[in-house]
Amino acid sequence: EAQVTQNPRYLITVTGKKLTVTCSQNMNHEYMSWYRQDPGLGLRQIYYSMNVEVTDKGDVPEGYKVSRKEKRNFPLILESPSPNQTSLYFCASSLTQGPLHFGNGTRLTVT
Amino acid sequence: GENVEQHPSTLSVQEGDSAVIKCTYSDSASNYFPWYKQELGKRPQLIIDIRSNVGEKKDQRIAVTLNKTAKHFSLHITETQPEDSAVYFCAATFSGGYQKVTFGTGTKLQVIP
Repeated sequence: EAQVTQNPRYLITVTGKKLTVTCSQNMNHEYMSWYRQDPGLGLRQIYYSMNVEVTDKGDVPEGYKVSRKEKRNFPLILESPSPNQTSLYFCASSLTQGPLHFGNGTRLTVT
Repeated sequence: GENVEQHPSTLSVQEGDSAVIKCTYSDSASNYFPWYKQELGKRPQLIIDIRSNVGEKKDQRIAVTLNKTAKHFSLHITETQPEDSAVYFCAATFSGGYQKVTFGTGTKLQVIP
C-alpha cells in the first residue's frame, strides 16, 4: 500500500531534550516536506526537500533540522525543543508538481 | 514570499445546499492550486486540484475555479452532505527548480442535516 509513515504518533517531552520524528514514504517520491498545524494558522511549511541531499527552509524553520540521506526517509530533528514547538506535525511527499500525500501526523507536547 | 488568504474561516450550510470557499494568493508565479479536506483527527487529503493553465475543473459535486488575473481560486461543493463536514485547506504552489507550498488557514465546513 502506498503510504507515508510517521513515528511516533504522540510524543511528550521536556524542554531541551533532543528528539527525532521519523518519516518514510514508499512511493519513490522526489519531494518531501514537513508542516506544523496550529489552530487558526493552518499548515505551515517547516522544511522541504526536492531530492536526496537537497533541503531548503520553508516558512517556519527556526528550531528544526532535517536531513535527506535516502530518497524514502526525511526525519525532522528538534535539537532543543521548547514549549512553542508544541504542535501537530505532518510529513508529506509528492512527485514534483504533484499533490501532497500526508502521513498520519505526530502530536508533540513540550513541557 | 507567497501569502494565501482563505475565507470564510467557518461555514454552516443546510444539507443539499451549496458551499463556496475562496482563496487569494499573492505570488503570480504560483502555478498549482490543490484543495485538501481534513476530517477530525485525520490527515489532510487531496480532493481536487487545478493548474495555472486551466480555468475550471469539476469532479462530481466538487469544482474549482481559478482566476489568474485576480489571483484567486474557489472551491464549490454542490448538494452538500453531512460527510462533507470537515476542514478544507487551499494551497498555492510554485513548482519550478524548487517547490514551495503555502496553505490557507482553513475553513471549517459544517453541513446541517
